[in-house]
Amino acid sequence: EIVLTQSPGTLSLSPGERATLSCRASQTVNSNFLGWFQQRPGQPPRFLIYGASSRAPGIPDRFRGSGSGTDFTLTITSLEPEDFAVYYCQHYISSRLTFGGGTKVEI
Amino acid sequence: EVQLMQSGGGLVQPGRSLRLSCTTSGFTFEDYAMSWFRQAPGKGLEWVGLIRSKPYGETKEYAASVRGRFLISRDDSKSIAYLQMNTLKTEDTGVYYCTRDGYYDSNGYPTFWADVWGQGTMVTVSS
Repeated sequence: EIVLTQSPGTLSLSPGERATLSCRASQTVNSNFLGWFQQRPGQPPRFLIYGASSRAPGIPDRFRGSGSGTDFTLTITSLEPEDFAVYYCQHYISSRLTFGGGTKVEI
Repeated sequence: EVQLMQSGGGLVQPGRSLRLSCTTSGFTFEDYAMSWFRQAPGKGLEWVGLIRSKPYGETKEYAASVRGRFLISRDDSKSIAYLQMNTLKTEDTGVYYCTRDGYYDSNGYPTFWADVWGQGTMVTVSS
């Protein structure tokens, strides 16, 4: 079973700053099956990135995914107030989906 | 507008059953797989299971933690997905989300992602 480890657990930043979130897989994964989700407090998750680097429809270009193999990164180039949330990476293979533990981006 | 409206949550005793519904609109329901996820209070996201569309045989997959107890079904004529939860345990407590699984081409790979989420419904399993 693939385990996804996200770091840091919490990232304290200010609006306008750059956020760099890490997702590390316990074994090499196909990057086509690696995605990212955002969850604001009290809301359902929101689909951000698929295939490690492709933005979902309607997602602003300040959200950038990258990586391959076991190391993946979500970068938010300039934080907007609405970006303060928890971010989860997700991987799926053979119809088994796993999530990382999440990174909270706080002010 | 694509919408997923959930219903059926509540308080239930351990060992009992509960059925959640996910009523959809704004897209051709029969063309999409549907998934269920959950989130225990203060915790992260967990995948529960999925049901594929009719062209894919309406096959189902489940997380190990719920396999044999939970059953996902769909009614394409009503555009509704269901999650039947049996033999509930206290650890099943959480917010349950239904999702539409959209198709995305990723470098030639067919991939499916939970691109639209319901609002969530709380399930509390407690005596």
